[in-house]
Amino acid sequence: AQSVSQHNHHVILSEAASLELGCNYSYGGTVNLFWYVQYPGQHLQLLLKYFSGDPLVKGIKGFEAEFIKSKFSFNLRKPSVQWSDTAEYFCAVTCCHSGGTSYGKLTFGQGTILTVHP
Amino acid sequence: NAGVTQTPKFRILKIGQSMTLQCTQDMNHNYMYWYRQDPGMGLKLIYYSVGAGITDKGEVPNGYNVSRSTTEDFPLRLELAAPSQTSVYFCASSYSYSYNSPLHFGNGTRLTVT
Repeated sequence: AQSVSQHNHHVILSEAASLELGCNYSYGGTVNLFWYVQYPGQHLQLLLKYFSGDPLVKGIKGFEAEFIKSKFSFNLRKPSVQWSDTAEYFCAVTCCHSGGTSYGKLTFGQGTILTVHP
Repeated sequence: NAGVTQTPKFRILKIGQSMTLQCTQDMNHNYMYWYRQDPGMGLKLIYYSVGAGITDKGEVPNGYNVSRSTTEDFPLRLELAAPSQTSVYFCASSYSYSYNSPLHFGNGTRLTVT
């Protein structure tokens, strides 16, 4: 079965620090990868996505992620975090079954809580 | 344009009670999903629908039922609530199953079963 693993449960940073959140997936086929963010008290929002092409993907609010196929990884990065980046971050991969479509079904990682101190 | 609307926001149930979590979207999306979110576990897909009248099980469907009589509405039914169903429930929708069609999430329903 497909799975997504996020290595860090809780990351605490000071403002202006650099951020890298790890995400690894286990799926041997063609993948589509996503990062979602959930700000306190809000619903999940799409941060960025990778389908094909340039493995370095840029998203909203200065976030980017790099797809490294050989490492089955899709790590999220931001050069300088802000207090407003405090949120929970979820990596996700489409849940694809052989011979069929994914119907948009996502397999999510466990989530990483990011706390940024001003 | 309200997007995906879930009601109620909070609910406390006693073991064995039943309830329906409501979800409606006004974006004319064919695809709708129910996820549950447990601390440290990420989101798990309960049920999904690819259009009115068509539903299918996700990863964790036991203890739940759904229906899709209209494009707009996708209610989730708990028949006999159990403590294991204490969770935050998110409804989502998408225009298509294309990878270019992101999921739009509702604000969630926090359910406690005691």
